[in-house]
Amino acid sequence: GQQVMQIPQYQHVQEGEDFTTYCNSSTTLSNIQWYKQRPGGHPVFLIQLVKSGEVKKQKRLTFQFGEAKKNSSLHITATQTTDVGTYFCAGRYNFNKFYFGSGTKLNVKP
Amino acid sequence: GAVVSQHPSWVICKSGTSVKIECRSLDFQATTMFWYRQFPKQSLMLMATSNEGSKATYEQGVEKDKFLINHASLTLSTLTVTSAHPEDSSFYICSARESGANSPLHFGNGTRLTVT
Repeated sequence: GQQVMQIPQYQHVQEGEDFTTYCNSSTTLSNIQWYKQRPGGHPVFLIQLVKSGEVKKQKRLTFQFGEAKKNSSLHITATQTTDVGTYFCAGRYNFNKFYFGSGTKLNVKP
Repeated sequence: GAVVSQHPSWVICKSGTSVKIECRSLDFQATTMFWYRQFPKQSLMLMATSNEGSKATYEQGVEKDKFLINHASLTLSTLTVTSAHPEDSSFYICSARESGANSPLHFGNGTRLTVT
């Protein structure tokens, strides 16, 4: 089946430091979505990227979609303790299914 | 915003019994719902796509006779874990999409299944 690779698996940062997680697909994606899951919770939709080379920002979060639509990144500037959670990318291929990356668990030390 | 309700939130059952999990879209119609399984500290694994009025499509390696999916209406999909075994213990999450090619997935709160 389709696979979306995501790195790193874990990231521990000091509050105020930046954080980045990367997703990569071996085949072209139709679009990619990003989700955040807090411990014990369910994934919550953050954003969707559709166009090649697209960049979107949400306050301290910056999302990018690669030119070839095979990779994506999420960058958080000046992390806060409220950013703690696991961030997942979910890639959509040319059919109505989303495949999740393995997730990056972010821990922020105050 | 779109809300997906999943019930029950947790269930404990004995080996050999069956468990039904419901997933409802409360304020939108969902012709397609997705069932995911998540092991502790792992990602969401797509199990099957539930299609209203037709058979579900299962991902490779997922036993369709073990995980029965029924999507009888535009707002309800059910997943039945038949003859449950301890290895079926997991977190099961459903999701649904509103119409539109680029609409996001809305997730239920998940069901924690423990088989003893």
